[in-house]
Amino acid sequence: AQSVTQLGSHVSVSEGALVLLRCNYSSSVPPYLFWYVQYPNQGLQLLLKYTSAATLVKGINGFEAEFKKSETSFHLTKPSAHMSDAAEYFCAVRTNTGNQFYFGTGTSLTVIP
Amino acid sequence: GAGVSQTPSNKVTEKGKYVELRCDPISGHTALYWYRQSLGQGPEFLIYFQGTGAADDSGLPNDRFFAVRPEGSVSTLKIQRTERGDSAVYLCASSLWAGGEETQYFGPGTRLLVL
Repeated sequence: AQSVTQLGSHVSVSEGALVLLRCNYSSSVPPYLFWYVQYPNQGLQLLLKYTSAATLVKGINGFEAEFKKSETSFHLTKPSAHMSDAAEYFCAVRTNTGNQFYFGTGTSLTVIP
Repeated sequence: GAGVSQTPSNKVTEKGKYVELRCDPISGHTALYWYRQSLGQGPEFLIYFQGTGAADDSGLPNDRFFAVRPEGSVSTLKIQRTERGDSAVYLCASSLWAGGEETQYFGPGTRLLVL
């Protein structure tokens, strides 16, 4: 069975500070991992994805995530938060044997000026 | 348009009524997914189409829910005898193919409220 756990439903950071959003997955087979961002009243937008190539994945808007198999983690980071980063972030997992995506419950990021 | 579109953006209905939610995928995308997102939760898989056929409908909660994609493009999610618990945002996503590296592109969703 596949599942995703996002630790911290709400994260607040100061503008310019490091952003760290946590995601741990469980998967019986090598997974594909994704981070999506959702702005209010908008659809989910892909930030980045891991597909078994490089373990450090760079995405849009300065975000990156590192796949750590030993920790079953895929945490999302950004060195310096911008006000425009305030949104809901979802981690998702998909196996290479199925077509279902499993999403975490999301982390709401607040950026404090 | 270039993206996935969904209509209506908002739908308010009364308990027991029938509703239809429409999804227009990105042109050329063969795979189409429906998800349900309840307040404070992540999207929950409902059904997946590859072309015209429902390849996986294991996420549909019960037989009141049904979806079609008759021509392999536009899809309609149908909910019969709506219940208050059906209130949620219904998301549609499409992708070029169903494989491990596929990227799903999401629409803005339809916000359904059952009174």
